[in-house]
Parts: sequence; structure tokens; C-alpha cells
Amino acid sequence: RKEVEQDPGPFNVPEGATVAFNCTYSNSASQSFFWYRQDCRKEPKLLMSVYSSGNEDGRFTAQLNRASQYISLLIRDSKLSDSATYLCVVIHGFSGGYNKLIFGAGTRLAVHP
Amino acid sequence: DAGVIQSPRHEVTEMGQEVTLRCKPISGHDYLFWYRQTMMRGLELLIYFNNNVPIDDSGMPEDRFSAKMPNASFSTLKIQPSEPRDSAVYFCASSPLRLDEQYFGPGTRLTVT
Repeated sequence: RKEVEQDPGPFNVPEGATVAFNCTYSNSASQSFFWYRQDCRKEPKLLMSVYSSGNEDGRFTAQLNRASQYISLLIRDSKLSDSATYLCVVIHGFSGGYNKLIFGAGTRLAVHP
Repeated sequence: DAGVIQSPRHEVTEMGQEVTLRCKPISGHDYLFWYRQTMMRGLELLIYFNNNVPIDDSGMPEDRFSAKMPNASFSTLKIQPSEPRDSAVYFCASSPLRLDEQYFGPGTRLTVT
């Protein structure tokens, strides 16, 4: 089983729709969680952090469920410009004394008119 | 700020040749990361440095790969000898203080024939 798993999609949704992605992680000691966005043939860019209490940034809401070991990203009122691949990132402490960082494979979103 | 700078942007080489990828992180950033991205395997962390010291190199595929950071403003990723399966986009990223807020460079697209 992969340490971080995402549904690869693609999620095809019309403009204005609400869409949600999940990302599951296997290490219960994971400490920090983030969502990155990657446009086609571009580099990833930090979208938002995921806090235990959940956080919202405009149309985007990120949540953490430690009991079930997943994080989620909700996008409301989808725009054409939201079309991209969304990568989750999990950081956990490692026995070597440093933090280990793992990217999920990404979920592709395609918003159509 | 110029952002993370990578060179070359594209590299085509023949199997068996040595390849050197270069990265200049954002000034003042303490962390530097090297990633490889392919369709099959997604985004993989190869190695990261903190204050020029390698911290986690568990993602480095094999002895053919080596990374150095001789000073705070420069890092290299070397593949010797290169193989067709090394074909991928290689990203360099830097982070100011933490692992999460990473700024990626535009990537180097490597093709090994």
C-alpha cells in the first residue's frame, strides 16, 4: 500500500459545480498536510495548508480527519481556471530524526463550460 | 525575486552519457529539494538538503545518481551513466524555513535515448 494515495481522476465537472477530493495516508504519526496545484507542464505550487480545525481560502476548503487518516479539498463554484492536478503532501517524523515528506500522485480536475 | 532557477530546461542525451542538472534556490532559503516526475510514478522526492547538508537521500534511485550542494546558492544533480528509464522532468525546489512552503523551479525535461 502506498503511503499517500489519491484518486487519479479525472474529475470532469461543469463550471459552477462543487467538487471534492480525498487523500488518504497510512502513517498515523503524520504531522503536517498540504495541497499543491500543478498545471499541465508546469511546476507544482502550494495551494493551502491543512489544519486540524480545517481552513478555508475563498472557494477552497481543506479538512483533516485524523481518525480516518485522510485529508480533503473542497472546491466550490468551480472555474475553468481550476482545471489542474491537485497533489496532497504529507509530512511525518522519521526514525532517522528528520521529517519525511511524501507527495501523492495527484488528482486531475477538468472543469468544462 | 527571480524564483528558483534550473538549467538546462531541456536535455536530450544518449544512454551512457553523464548528465548534470543545476539549480539555484531562492536567496535565503534554508531547504533545497530535488524531485523527479514521470507519468507512471508521479512526483518523487529524491533528496533534500538543509543548510547545504543532505538530510534525506532515501529517494535517490541508485548509485548512478548523486547530488551536491557546495554552497547556499547552488546545487547539482548528476546521473552517470544515464539510462532511458531516467527520462523524466526533474524539479528543484527551495523552502525558507519549513518543508511545506516549497517554491518549485520550472523543471528540467530530460530525455535519454
